Amino acid sequence: DTGVSQDPRHKITKRGQNVTFRCDPISEHNRLYWYRQTLGQGPEFLTYFQNEAQLEKSRLLSDRFSAERPKGSFSTLEIQRTEQGDSAMYLCASSPWTQGHGYTFGSGTRLTVV
Amino acid sequence: SQQGEEDPQALSIQEGENATMNCSYKTSINNLQWYRQNSGRGLVHLILIRSNEREKHSGRLRVTLDTSKKSSSLLITASRAADTASYFCATDARGSGGGADGLTFGKGTHLIIQP
Repeated sequence: DTGVSQDPRHKITKRGQNVTFRCDPISEHNRLYWYRQTLGQGPEFLTYFQNEAQLEKSRLLSDRFSAERPKGSFSTLEIQRTEQGDSAMYLCASSPWTQGHGYTFGSGTRLTVV
Repeated sequence: SQQGEEDPQALSIQEGENATMNCSYKTSINNLQWYRQNSGRGLVHLILIRSNEREKHSGRLRVTLDTSKKSSSLLITASRAADTASYFCATDARGSGGGADGLTFGKGTHLIIQP
């Protein structure tokens, strides 16, 4: 297992288009997290899954955002009708479900909405 | 929302010097973690300190935690050019009554090591 993988690394899209990102976590990790990071800021929590169950969603996650983890393995994050304000780095991380472990992050997907 | 506040926002030192970054937070925590991020990349976990611990070491890293002041510090000794990165503290409030179930990150300290 080589860590957390995210695809694509970069995405440029026109305003109004839909985009989907994929995250493949470390296979032994039950928990999967999505964060968003803008320039000069720390990552902001969006949502997380324990296995296939989505347990928490941030207020940042508007109705245009949806995340899935259908079989408790990989996850997708979809943004519908993208806006320029959606431009950011989208980070995925995974961890074991027990407390006391750090997160393993992927390299992120950088979204630019033009 | 971001719970942690790192101080300073930016720090520039000479190679070989020690670098100290501070973090303050607002709620009860289960543990506090420090991460490094190189420009345009994902975050790398450096060290975790539990709420019942006061100090922890890992290689050239030393972390302290003062839960009464809700603050932590990260010391990097004998800095190297490769330590140039942004450093973030993150609080885990899970099970402590402090709120969110995921890590809450601060805005980070941008560290530059001059060769």
